[in-house]
This record gives sequence, C-alpha cells and structure tokens, in this order.
Amino acid sequence: NAGVTQTPKFRVLKTGQSMTLLCAQDMNHEYMYWYRQDPGMGLRLIHYSVGEGTTAKGEVPDGYNVSRLKKQNFLLGLESAAPSQTSVYFCASMMHGQEDYTFGSGTRLTVV
Amino acid sequence: QQQVKQSPQSLIVQKGGISIINCAYENTAFDYFPWYQQFPGKGPALLIAIRPDVSEKKEGRFTISFNKSAKQFSLHIMDSQPGDSATYFCAALINQAGTALIFGKGTTLSVSS
Repeated sequence: NAGVTQTPKFRVLKTGQSMTLLCAQDMNHEYMYWYRQDPGMGLRLIHYSVGEGTTAKGEVPDGYNVSRLKKQNFLLGLESAAPSQTSVYFCASMMHGQEDYTFGSGTRLTVV
Repeated sequence: QQQVKQSPQSLIVQKGGISIINCAYENTAFDYFPWYQQFPGKGPALLIAIRPDVSEKKEGRFTISFNKSAKQFSLHIMDSQPGDSATYFCAALINQAGTALIFGKGTTLSVSS
C-alpha cells in the first residue's frame, strides 16, 4: 500500500525552466492538494482538486498550474521557474466525507 | 490574512517535561481542528484531532485542550521524549466539500536528553 507518492524527490532548476511535479495516490481518494512549505511560513495551499477534471486555487496559486486528468494523479506545473519557488512541495489526499489528509514525502525544489 | 495563528515558533523542553503549543483562530465556521507531526525529511502525519463540541481530547501522552469561546486550542505533550522532537502544525477545517485544511506556521520542538 503505497499511499501518496511524489516524484521527483529532489530537483534543481534554472530560472525560467519548466517542470512538472507528479502526485499519485492509490487510495481512491476524491480530494487532492498541493502545498508548499517554507521556513517560518508553515504549509500554504497552492491548488487543490475535489475530483477528476476539477481544480481550484488556494492561497498562493500564482506561477503554478495544475491538472487532474485521472482521479489518482494530481500534477503541479511550473511554467517558468523563479527563485521564489524554491521550496518543499507536499501533495496530500483525502477521502470524501473524511477530514484527515495523507501526505506524500515531499519534493525539494531549488531554483537557481 | 493568517487564519490560524500558532505559537511559539520553536520550543526546547527537557526530557520528561511538558511541551505546550498554542493556536488561535478567527473563523467560527471551522469545525475540525487536527494537529500534524512532521519529522525531518518526511511529510506531516495526523497526530490527534478535536471537534469544537469537546473541550479536551487525550491520546496517550498527547492532549488537545479546546476553548471555543476564546477561539483557542493547544497541544500538550506530557513526559516529553527525545523521539517527540519534530515540527508540529495545528490546522483547522470547515467540513464541507471544496474546502481545505488551513495550517498554522508550525512549531519546532526539541526535547533534550
């Protein structure tokens, strides 16, 4: 039982490059979330999805795009990376009707 | 606008001591208050949670105290152990479709032996 799997675990990007972070869950959860974690800032919501084909903006959505083409996958895209996007990104999922998240182990992204 | 305020930012406690982390919220629509524990290099994991109709919940050495009128809740770790050294996040949720957990900024706890 893998739970929530994030790939890659580490990545270094140059300013202006693009990349996609993948989140996959095998628990048939309806809801999926992307957060970023920065020192002293806690976990801030970037985007989330309440079902396949639907996405919504969170607290800090600028510079990111997301897609949920399949229920089990939630992709986070950076079209033109900036140093301010250096962070640890966490994906989480939750079953409809429940209240507790299952988190992935994170992706550490550095933009130079 | 920070909806969930957490303090302190860091905490050092002697082994066997009591660790106390506090959170405050503004939105009275929140109806679920979990605490998450995060070890270095790992994702957060649910530790304990409470609903506003209960003033206290205890699970082992971990207790949540909830004060609805003051809109505050706190995590107490009794007999703190070095293995409790981690970052703790309080959070709040409005339990309806289309909402997400709002997290506090976190508290880094170090328990010295």
